[in-house]
Amino acid sequence: KQEVTQIPAALSVPEGENLVLNCSFTDSAIYNLQWFRQDPGKGLTSLLLIQSSQREQTSGRLNASLDKSSGRSTLYIAASQPGDSATYLCAVSSGYSTLTFGKGTMLLVSP
Amino acid sequence: SQTIHQWPATLVQPVGSPLSLECTVEGTSNPNLYWYRQAAGRGLQLLFYSVGIGQISSEVPQNLSASRPQDRQFILSSKKLLLSDSGFYLCAWSFGSTDTQYFGPGTRLTVL
Repeated sequence: KQEVTQIPAALSVPEGENLVLNCSFTDSAIYNLQWFRQDPGKGLTSLLLIQSSQREQTSGRLNASLDKSSGRSTLYIAASQPGDSATYLCAVSSGYSTLTFGKGTMLLVSP
Repeated sequence: SQTIHQWPATLVQPVGSPLSLECTVEGTSNPNLYWYRQAAGRGLQLLFYSVGIGQISSEVPQNLSASRPQDRQFILSSKKLLLSDSGFYLCAWSFGSTDTQYFGPGTRLTVL
């Protein structure tokens, strides 16, 4: 059974810092890995999707990497802003139509 | 462009009452559809998914059921709610089984 762990559970940083969120998964037989953002009381917004054959994806200030063999992914946020404050969720697709989610990292960026 | 709707946004129901949550997708045909639940202190749990009208797969045994009466409509139901059914219910869609999933705004269900 696939298990996804996200570290840290919560993170508080001052505005402008670069930061890294970590995600690990137990079964390396995955189709892809996705990073989502969730604002309080809201649905999820897809940030980046990395296919199993890819090593990284970039979108603006976000960069996600994938090391499938070691079961790890990182989400790098450059020059953090207060608007980046949210919960970030990592999810892996390891079966037909199924995503397994981590519990998320709650990020607070203070001005 | 595609949009996904869920209603109601919030719901407070007594134990033992029935439930019907609705999800609709606009701007696409034959999407894969998903129901998730997010309970306090736990990650998102996939409840049901559907790859076509009338085709429903259940991931976990539970007090809930799902139906897909139309191509872009997905309904989550219960005949008798339990306290443990409380949570944040999210509907999502995707083009294919391994593609990005797009989530709706969610329904906050409180069972008292």
